[in-house]
Amino acid sequence: GDSVTQMEGPVTLSEEAFLTINCTYTATGYPSLFWYVQYPGEGLQLLLKATKADDKGSNKGFEATYRKETTSFHLEKGSVQVSDSAVYFCALQPPGGYNKLIFGAGTRLAVHP
Amino acid sequence: DGGITQSPKYLFRKEGQNVTLSCEQNLNHDAMYWYRQDPGQGLRLIYYSQIVNDFQKGDIAEGYSVSREKKESFPLTVTSAQKNPTAFYLCASSIDGEANQPQHFGDGTRLSIL
Repeated sequence: GDSVTQMEGPVTLSEEAFLTINCTYTATGYPSLFWYVQYPGEGLQLLLKATKADDKGSNKGFEATYRKETTSFHLEKGSVQVSDSAVYFCALQPPGGYNKLIFGAGTRLAVHP
Repeated sequence: DGGITQSPKYLFRKEGQNVTLSCEQNLNHDAMYWYRQDPGQGLRLIYYSQIVNDFQKGDIAEGYSVSREKKESFPLTVTSAQKNPTAFYLCASSIDGEANQPQHFGDGTRLSIL
């Protein structure tokens, strides 16, 4: 079945470091891909999305490119801040059907000054 | 401001009791969802509803029940049949149930067994 695999955390970085969180997926057809962020004690917020191959989603300095050939949607940010500390979830939505999301296990990011 | 309100934030249940988690949205969204989040795991879909008076089972519906009598409300009941109910429960909504609509989440309810 469809699934999402994320790199295990926690990822610990110094402020202003470069961030990459790996995400790969297994799905039939062309799913839509999403990154959600969860701050402590809160629900999830949509960070960015891409709906077709080679699309790049971007928001708040974060970027991710839909790579069909490698079935990947890695999240990147050039310079992280302490306020970026959170759990990041990669998710896919299978093509067709209803608005179902399949989530990865999440990657915790800790940024220290 | 429009959003999704989940209550209570923390909930405790005794063995053998049913409990109901509240989810209200004022976004005028047609579709609503309930997810369960366990430590170190992603979210798993319990139930979803694409329109009032209709709902469908998700991947882990056993031991749970829902109703959708009003567009803005989608309460989740955790029954005594759910053997491992301790988890963080998240409610979400989207404009409709069609693909590619972003889901908006509430702040969650943490359920614990006494």
